[in-house]
Amino acid sequence: GNSVTQMEGPVTLSEEAFLTINCTYTATGYPSLFWYVQYPGEGLQLLLKATKADDKGSNKGFEATYRKETTSFHLEKGSVQVSDSAVYFCALSASGDSSYKLIFGSGTRLLVRP
Amino acid sequence: GAVVSQHPSRVICKSGTSVKIECRSLDFQATTMFWYRQFPKQSLMLMATSNEGSKATYEQGVEKDKFLINHASLTLSTLTVTSAHPEDSSFYICSARGGRGFLYEQYFGPGTRLTVT
Repeated sequence: GNSVTQMEGPVTLSEEAFLTINCTYTATGYPSLFWYVQYPGEGLQLLLKATKADDKGSNKGFEATYRKETTSFHLEKGSVQVSDSAVYFCALSASGDSSYKLIFGSGTRLLVRP
Repeated sequence: GAVVSQHPSRVICKSGTSVKIECRSLDFQATTMFWYRQFPKQSLMLMATSNEGSKATYEQGVEKDKFLINHASLTLSTLTVTSAHPEDSSFYICSARGGRGFLYEQYFGPGTRLTVT
């Protein structure tokens, strides 16, 4: 079946450090891939997405590239800020799934220290 | 735009009682809403998909008689946990799928923490 695996946290970084959160997936066909962010006390928000191979999603300085050959969608940011502290979820929506269900990874907590 | 609210944010109930959680899309109409359950330090697990005016579709292993879902309007879906037990204690999250004007994305509510004593 379809699944998403992402690195366990917490990830603790100093401000302005480089961030990578790994995400790999298992799915048939060509799923759409997403990164969601959950700030403390808030609902999940879509951070970025990619719908086909080699697409790069980007938003707020975050980037992720849809790599079909490695079934990966790693999240990166060149210089993190304290305000980026949150839980990040990788997710997929299976191709051809008219229900638009999302399958989530386990989430990675990021803590950025001043 | 694209705000989804949940009520209540926290609820404590006694074992054997029922609890209703509301999910509302405040500024858009949602033909499809989703209900998730999140355990501590774990991922969101999809419980069911509800379409306005029709019966919910439950994921495998989710008891439909225990978790009653009603999607009576384009802006409101409710989840009722019937005869709650301590093992039902969890964080319940809903999402609503927007239409063309909202890029057909899912928008998430802030969640409801249920504690069954």
